[in-house]
Amino acid sequence: DIQMTQSPASLSASVGDRVTITCRASQDISNSLAWFQQKPGEAPKSLIYDASFLLSGVPSNFSGSGSGTDFTLTILSLQPADFATYYCQQYKSFPYTFGQGTKLEI
Amino acid sequence: QVQLVQSGAEVKKPGASVKVSCKASGYLFTNFGINWVRQAPGQGLEWVAWINTYYGHTSYSPKMQGRVTVTTDTPTTTVYMELRNLRSDDTAIYYCAKDQWFEKSPPDFWGPGTLVTVSS
Repeated sequence: DIQMTQSPASLSASVGDRVTITCRASQDISNSLAWFQQKPGEAPKSLIYDASFLLSGVPSNFSGSGSGTDFTLTILSLQPADFATYYCQQYKSFPYTFGQGTKLEI
Repeated sequence: QVQLVQSGAEVKKPGASVKVSCKASGYLFTNFGINWVRQAPGQGLEWVAWINTYYGHTSYSPKMQGRVTVTTDTPTTTVYMELRNLRSDDTAIYYCAKDQWFEKSPPDFWGPGTLVTVSS
């Protein structure tokens, strides 16, 4: 199985800050990497696919980059609605696997 | 618009089985696979299974292989996930999530989740 390691596990930031979350795969997954946002009590929301493409309706202050084994999710100018837990997932091969999550707190 | 409607919460005893449904609407059902992802209380997301709704091909988490079966019913545009021989650590919210394209795809839309509680 491909292991996905996210860092940091938690992150404190303020409105207006720029934050970066990293995700590392245990083997080359090309660009088969997605990012999700989850708020307490809600289902996850898909944000980014193929490492860097935003789904329709996702604010442009979100961006993704990377290829191979190392990936980043960057949020420019944090908004109050951005405080949530973020997960990466690889879909290069089954079983698809998630990172352990990064909790972004005020 | 895309909708995924999941069945209601379940409470089961250890050793029992549960079958959770996910009814899709708002898109061409057989063009997109469905994933099942679970989340234990206070924990992260765990991928459980996937089904190709056109051919019926499936893939399962090795951790749960042998206890989980995912099926699809095209006339009712419903996908089912059955989990057998339930254990207390199967207590979780189970989400279905629609693929973004036909195969080797990430999910782009998630159902609201179904809470399955396993307790004696």
